[in-house]
Amino acid sequence: ELKVEQNPLFLSMQEGKNYTIYCNYSTTSDRLYWYRQDPGKSLESLFVLLSNGAVKQEGRLMASLDTKARLSTLHITAAVHDLSATYFCAVDRSGGSNYKLTFGKGTLLTVNP
Amino acid sequence: DTEVTQTPKHLVMGMTNKKSLKCEQHMGHRAMYWYKQKAKKPPELMFVYSYEKLSINESVPSRFSPECPNSSLLNLHLHALQPEDSALYLCASRRVGYKDGYTFGSGTRLTVV
Repeated sequence: ELKVEQNPLFLSMQEGKNYTIYCNYSTTSDRLYWYRQDPGKSLESLFVLLSNGAVKQEGRLMASLDTKARLSTLHITAAVHDLSATYFCAVDRSGGSNYKLTFGKGTLLTVNP
Repeated sequence: DTEVTQTPKHLVMGMTNKKSLKCEQHMGHRAMYWYKQKAKKPPELMFVYSYEKLSINESVPSRFSPECPNSSLLNLHLHALQPEDSALYLCASRRVGYKDGYTFGSGTRLTVV
């Protein structure tokens, strides 16, 4: 059974600081995703990481993937209040003829002024 | 059209009611998904349809009945639900055979009273 673990689950940080969220998964996967979710809203796709060593950046967020370590990181640079949200990593794995997306528990990020 | 449209956005139903959730996409995606998300939890997979056929049922109680009448439409029929079934129900779709990501709808907030 595929397991996806995120840490930390709660992160309170000050504006302007840097921090990293970690995502470990238990078995070989096909793709790794990072999503953002605001309270009461749906999931917003941030990054899709396809291969070992993949690095993607968008604004103050940068995601990377190490398939050998089964580890992805989401790095936040110079945090701003607008980044406050819950961040999920999710791993995509083939289940027969279909892919199944399994989510980590999420990291609730609060950026304080 | 690059969206997954879910209706209704909010639904309140009694435990003896029958209601349906609707999900529609016109992107030609042949895999469609239902996820259930309880408050402060990650989304959990319920059903997967591939080419209009049910391919994965994650041991969901029979009071939830999915239907895929055509390649653009996915329904979730609800009957005799319990208050603990109150959650955000998310629909998603993806292209089969490609390394694309998933497109999520905005969700239906269901409250069972």
